[in-house]
Amino acid sequence: KAGVTQTPRYLIKTRGQQVTLSCSPISGHRSVSWYQQTPGQGLQFLFEYFSETQRNKGNFPGRFSGRQFSNSRSEMNVSTLELGDSALYLCASSPSAPNTEAFFGQGTRLTVV
Amino acid sequence: KNEVEQSPQNLTAQEGEFITINCSYSVGISALHWLQQHPGGGIVSLFMLSSGKKKHGRLIATINIQEKHSSLHITASHPRDSAVYICAVSTNFGNEKLTFGTGTRLTIIP
Repeated sequence: KAGVTQTPRYLIKTRGQQVTLSCSPISGHRSVSWYQQTPGQGLQFLFEYFSETQRNKGNFPGRFSGRQFSNSRSEMNVSTLELGDSALYLCASSPSAPNTEAFFGQGTRLTVV
Repeated sequence: KNEVEQSPQNLTAQEGEFITINCSYSVGISALHWLQQHPGGGIVSLFMLSSGKKKHGRLIATINIQEKHSSLHITASHPRDSAVYICAVSTNFGNEKLTFGTGTRLTIIP
């Protein structure tokens, strides 16, 4: 069974640009969560999608958005990039049952210059 | 004060030593997760606990719901155990929204 796949693995963008990151969950998993990891703030929850609906959102500005498609694949978008958006972005997928184990992707390392 | 506190922040030990990493939380939780992150970024889920104790190989995780405390133990530690260990809690029943501790960087010296 394939794991969680995130693309691209590495990305360099310029301030002011926008970026789209992709996450393909494990087959059969309907929940996809996104997290940001920085040296200063650690791991922080961005948002969670289940069956194409955003169920939870973390405390991030509106520049951070996401969506989920009918095949459970998810994308997150960051508009008007700032230097502080440089981070490792991780997604995790889990089955539809409550409180089930989360499976993480390898992450996308975004550098904003 | 962070909702999830881990200790120690850094831990260096000799190969073969018994390792304990602690996690305390201040909110009501539906489950507690122990995660492992190696250099390069990928995170692996080690355990998910809502009560009692779980064991997998040389790893043991325990949780005390009344005291809001969990421990991760590694027996017969090995250099390949060197990684960052992260405690995280689920606070939204039925939803996946993890709140993380700051992590414990473990280094095992041969």
